[in-house]
Amino acid sequence: QKEVEQDPGPLSVPEGAIVSLNCTYSNSAFQYFMWYRQYSRKGPELLMYTYSSGNKEDGRFTAQVDKSSKYISLFIRDSQPSDSATYLCAMISTSGTYKYIFGTGTRLKVLA
Amino acid sequence: DGGITQSPKYLFRKEGQNVTLSCEQNLNHDAMYWYRQDPGQGLRLIYYSQIVNDFQKGDIAEGYSVSREKKESFPLTVTSAQKNPTAFYLCASSFRTGGTTDTQYFGPGTRLTVL
Repeated sequence: QKEVEQDPGPLSVPEGAIVSLNCTYSNSAFQYFMWYRQYSRKGPELLMYTYSSGNKEDGRFTAQVDKSSKYISLFIRDSQPSDSATYLCAMISTSGTYKYIFGTGTRLKVLA
Repeated sequence: DGGITQSPKYLFRKEGQNVTLSCEQNLNHDAMYWYRQDPGQGLRLIYYSQIVNDFQKGDIAEGYSVSREKKESFPLTVTSAQKNPTAFYLCASSFRTGGTTDTQYFGPGTRLTVL
């Protein structure tokens, strides 16, 4: 079983829809959570990072962490065709063995 | 502008040749990383370095070599021993303080194709 699971998609939505992207993890030592956006043939770009359980909002993006369920989400409101990309979750554990783990990414297509 | 640069953007190599990919950062980050990305497989760690003149193997180090002579630079050599080198290579860097400052930032990538 992988430490971080992420549905590869593709996920297709109409423009303006609310998008929900998710990752689950098995190691309760993960403490810091990130979301990256990667356009085709480009390097991943950091979108959001968070530490505690709860929500963090930045413009149209909301990152949600539920440590009790080992589940993190990224919500995109009013999705645009320019949001079409692959979204990777990432997690850091600094207790015990240091780990920085990436999900495999979910490909999102926003249709105009 | 602070950031990470990788060169070249595209690289073609004949079988049996070694090739070196460049990675430079001016973010004053301590740690640097090399990843390989193949379709459907996510990011796989090749090598990482937390400090100058020191580096560790990642999950798929065979057929690769690195050096870290300067804080700003972490070149990756793909040797002829790498069986399937065609891939998208990503360099990243971060601080290493044990918190959210450890967040990795990526360069634009180098696409290597073996002919």
